[in-house]
Amino acid sequence: GAGVSQSPSNKVTEKGKDVELRCDPISGHTALYWYRQSLGQGLEFLIYFQGNSAPDKSGLPSDRFSAERTGGSVSTLTIQRTQQEDSAVYLCASSLGGGLDQPQHFGDGTRLSIL
Amino acid sequence: AQTVTQSQPEMSVQEAETVTLSCTYDTSENNYYLFWYKQPPSRQMILVIRQEAYKQQNATENRFSVNFQKAAKSFSLKISDSQLGDTAMYFCAFMIPGGGADGLTFGKGTHLIIQP
Repeated sequence: GAGVSQSPSNKVTEKGKDVELRCDPISGHTALYWYRQSLGQGLEFLIYFQGNSAPDKSGLPSDRFSAERTGGSVSTLTIQRTQQEDSAVYLCASSLGGGLDQPQHFGDGTRLSIL
Repeated sequence: AQTVTQSQPEMSVQEAETVTLSCTYDTSENNYYLFWYKQPPSRQMILVIRQEAYKQQNATENRFSVNFQKAAKSFSLKISDSQLGDTAMYFCAFMIPGGGADGLTFGKGTHLIIQP
């Protein structure tokens, strides 16, 4: 497809389970971003990839969160031992590069609900 | 740290009216980009308009324009001839050089409702 694709669209899981969220960026986009949007809040930046590497992981909320990107394309965000406060919409964005002049294109997000 | 403040949680106007959404930000950087994103119920964030801090001329995109006041650190969005399809959450966002490592910093958003 032409846009950023995220899956699943919605995910409901029990507290304590692990979840994996997937992002397929626009073809040719080297930069990839993950954000979290909690109810009634703006977007919170989580992590950025340039190619396969993430230079700074300090935006991840806790050590239960991890992300990887392989082949410079698809990225997965994994949350281990999920907690109720992890419930949010997780948005992925990609851009041609990480520069200021490269706008970010967003996917539709994954709505994660922790019971 | 950069912060973005949107002081209007919700606004409602009649169709065809002009509406202005406010945004202020705080940074010690001199070079940066500012953005307005629209998020309809479909959840997808759509870029509406962007402004480069070193450009004095205000950006315009059809019915959308900004009033960028760098000294005041203000970046408001004006929507002219508003349409029902403009109903959405609007987020002001900010990015600094090397900002790939920091991503975009967003405000908490303004819910804009266009009434028929």
